[in-house]
Amino acid sequence: QVQLVQSGAEVRKPGSSVKVSCKASGGTFNTYGFSWVRQAPGQGPEWMGAILPIFGTTNYAQKFQGRVTITADESTRTAYMELASLRSEDTAIYYCARGDEYSWNYSRYWGQGTLVTVSS
Amino acid sequence: DIQLTQSPSTLSASVGDRVTITCRASQSINSWLAWYQQKPGKAPKLLIYEASSVESGVPSRFSGSGSGTEFALTISSLQPDDFATYYCQLYKTDSRTFGQGTKVEIK
Repeated sequence: QVQLVQSGAEVRKPGSSVKVSCKASGGTFNTYGFSWVRQAPGQGPEWMGAILPIFGTTNYAQKFQGRVTITADESTRTAYMELASLRSEDTAIYYCARGDEYSWNYSRYWGQGTLVTVSS
Repeated sequence: DIQLTQSPSTLSASVGDRVTITCRASQSINSWLAWYQQKPGKAPKLLIYEASSVESGVPSRFSGSGSGTEFALTISSLQPDDFATYYCQLYKTDSRTFGQGTKVEIK
């Protein structure tokens, strides 16, 4: 059974960065696409980007280009999302999600979410 | 960017009602659309992919239809567990946009 366990809540000041982790268990790791999706309070989900670990291929939403970095460590079966130059509007729950094999089209499995609060 | 417009934004219904939520894309996305259910404090749950394929384990009362720019999620007989917010999501080329959501409330 696939499980995604994310790191705990974070509080950051504007202008700083945050790195959230997502450890996968069950099934193969490196041939599945891992997406990062955020959800601001009272808003709908927003796809940020994704990675296919076996090739290290990434794809970022245009809105986050240059500010987000998604990586994966096959040895620890962990995906990471780092968001830089934080502002108050980045306050949200950040989810990792696993897609199908060799794909990040839609997501069958989701982490529990990580609350990132940006406040001075 | 391709935009998705869901309607209605809120829907009030009773247990046993047939409910339909629509999602319109700003350009053709073939059948590259998924539907999710989300309950408060929880991650989204995949219901439908490729517009009409029902995810394993999802009750048969959920169905998806449409192609091109017009899509629908139908719940044939609303159950108490179905009161939640529903989102469509497109996946075409590099776009993975979500709709703004439809909240299904108890009437």
